[in-house]
Amino acid sequence: QVQLVESGGRVVQPGGSVTLACVATGFAFSSYDFHWVRKGPGKGLEWVAFLRYDRSSEYYADSVKGRFTLSRDNSQSKVYLQMNGLTSEDTALYYCVAEYNRNDGLVYWGQGTLVSVSS
Amino acid sequence: SYELVQPPSVSVAPGQTATITCSGDKLGTKYTCWYQQKPGQSPVLVIYQDTNRPSGIPERFSASNSGNTATLTISGTQAMDEADYFCQAWDSYIAVFGGGTTLTV
Repeated sequence: QVQLVESGGRVVQPGGSVTLACVATGFAFSSYDFHWVRKGPGKGLEWVAFLRYDRSSEYYADSVKGRFTLSRDNSQSKVYLQMNGLTSEDTALYYCVAEYNRNDGLVYWGQGTLVSVSS
Repeated sequence: SYELVQPPSVSVAPGQTATITCSGDKLGTKYTCWYQQKPGQSPVLVIYQDTNRPSGIPERFSASNSGNTATLTISGTQAMDEADYFCQAWDSYIAVFGGGTTLTV
């Protein structure tokens, strides 16, 4: 059974940092690309970052470029999102999403972890 | 940057057909996916490659994509279909989402 479990979300002060983790089970982790997608309060889904299965490519939304870094540990089936310089605009539920073939869509989603930026 | 536009809300009577549109420049040249999200739940893929339903998605869900508009159609809409629906297309490696449509049944 495929499972993506995010963790690390918390309340953080503006300007602060937080690292989200996502552990994957039930599929061939090292063959999958990973994304983080967030949903802010009263907002729609916003794509945040992408990391290719072999780490050969990574991309970030303009809103987080230079502040967020995506990494992965294939030996532990984990993906990490390092978030720095947080602002209230980053307050959201962050989803870890696994993709094998983009033409098949974003099939595997975690349950999300909440980051709240507040003083 | 590429943008997808959806109507904020659509209402439909139970048993009727719901239609949700998604507009983007030359969207018909890209594969479009649709996701359903109910309150407190993660998004669920309901359509991929413009018209395909993943295993487990009811046949009442169908879709098309041509020109600048992709359309999700729910035939015989049920109360359980009440949710937010998001279209999504790829702009290179970036997943672009529409703003979402709240379907009220």
